[in-house]
Amino acid sequence: EIVLTQSPGTLSLSPGERATLSCRASQSVSSYLAWYQQKPGQGPRLLIYGASSRATGIPDRFSGSASGTDFTLTISRLEPEDSAVYYCQQYGGSPGTFGQGTKLEIK
Amino acid sequence: QGQLQESGPGLVKPSQTLSLTCTVSSDSIVGYYWNWIRQRPGEGLEWIGYIYYTGSTHYNPSLRSRVAISVGPSQNQFSLDVFSVTAADTAIYYCARAPRNCNTGTCYLDYWGQGTLVTVSS
Repeated sequence: EIVLTQSPGTLSLSPGERATLSCRASQSVSSYLAWYQQKPGQGPRLLIYGASSRATGIPDRFSGSASGTDFTLTISRLEPEDSAVYYCQQYGGSPGTFGQGTKLEIK
Repeated sequence: QGQLQESGPGLVKPSQTLSLTCTVSSDSIVGYYWNWIRQRPGEGLEWIGYIYYTGSTHYNPSLRSRVAISVGPSQNQFSLDVFSVTAADTAIYYCARAPRNCNTGTCYLDYWGQGTLVTVSS
């Protein structure tokens, strides 16, 4: 199965700063990569699909990009409510797999 | 739109069957792929499998021999059974929907339930 490696494990930033989260796939998944945000006690929330398409209702502060097997989620102008764990998921191969997550802390 | 809610026992004894139901409100299961995912304590997300509204299924090979996903018991519900459970099956279990434009359940998931914790213990 395809392994997704997310980095960093934890990111601590201040409001207004930019966050850059990475996800590397062990083999090609084309653009079949999604990003989710998960807050305590909640199910994951879809942010990005197709590597760079924003899901319905997601603010344009969230953006996704891809370069080969490397994927990036960028959150510009951080807000306190962005504090969460972020997961990437590939659906280019079966079974679909998830990264181990990046915890984003807002100072 | 697309609200999902998991339900089922929070405690299951080892070697027994874990059974959960996902209720889809404000929507129908027709035309979509429906997924089960779990999150073991301190670990990431693990895809279990999916079912199409017609009843066709696909499972993670790591769990295929011990799981079954079915439509029902009601028209807006689908269910998960995990057989012969052990402590390693202790997890938060989520149901989730793959959007209509997906031609397989191995897809991104646009709506999730809040999850239900199932503990396997005697």
